[in-house]
Amino acid sequence: DAGITQSPRHKVTETGTPVTLRCHQTENHRYMYWYRQDPGHGLRLIHYSYGVKDTDKGEVSDGYSVSRSKTEDFLLTLESATSSQTSVYFCAINGALAGATDTQYFGPGTRLTVL
Amino acid sequence: KQEVTQIPAALSVPEGENLVLNCSFTDSAIYNLQWFRQDPGKGLTSLLLIQSSQREQTSGRLNASLDKSSGRSTLYIAASQPGDSATYLCAVRPQTGANNLFFGTGTRLTVIP
Repeated sequence: DAGITQSPRHKVTETGTPVTLRCHQTENHRYMYWYRQDPGHGLRLIHYSYGVKDTDKGEVSDGYSVSRSKTEDFLLTLESATSSQTSVYFCAINGALAGATDTQYFGPGTRLTVL
Repeated sequence: KQEVTQIPAALSVPEGENLVLNCSFTDSAIYNLQWFRQDPGKGLTSLLLIQSSQREQTSGRLNASLDKSSGRSTLYIAASQPGDSATYLCAVRPQTGANNLFFGTGTRLTVIP
């Protein structure tokens, strides 16, 4: 959706290197989320934010950290990437993009490969 | 912990058929349920959202129903078209917590021309 962008869209990196993924929203929504999607699993929550500098862990948070210094940006960092973190990462916001509240809207995803 | 299951994992139908996708969840204390569509290599597109107090929602050829007490939802697609081919994901938002969603693994639909 036009209101949520992710960068980069694709990244290949090596085990042990740090990686930061960025999610940017133009909708001024309070809640932002990072999910990962893997074959055989539904999307799973990594971390979420409920405001600037307010973050908390999700179901699969080990090996990840997040930061939110501005309403519009939510960063996901892999401090030392491992092959098990090869996945597709989605950012989401909760709120109204087209007038419908409570709907969760997703970014286009980042495909990360850790060699 | 909320578990969401979607059956079948894959479905092939000829064009023009009506079809039903199923979703079940283990904890009936939900705030809402959302159906998404995902095309290969793409993000998620929200199709329908049903609040816990509602029984169904309709959009065009799509109709989603919710039976919260039994932990079930169905997505009905009428007069299927090849353009409907995609993976359909069901997700529930619990009544309490961080407003995040719990997802099923999806049903991959192929509509054969």
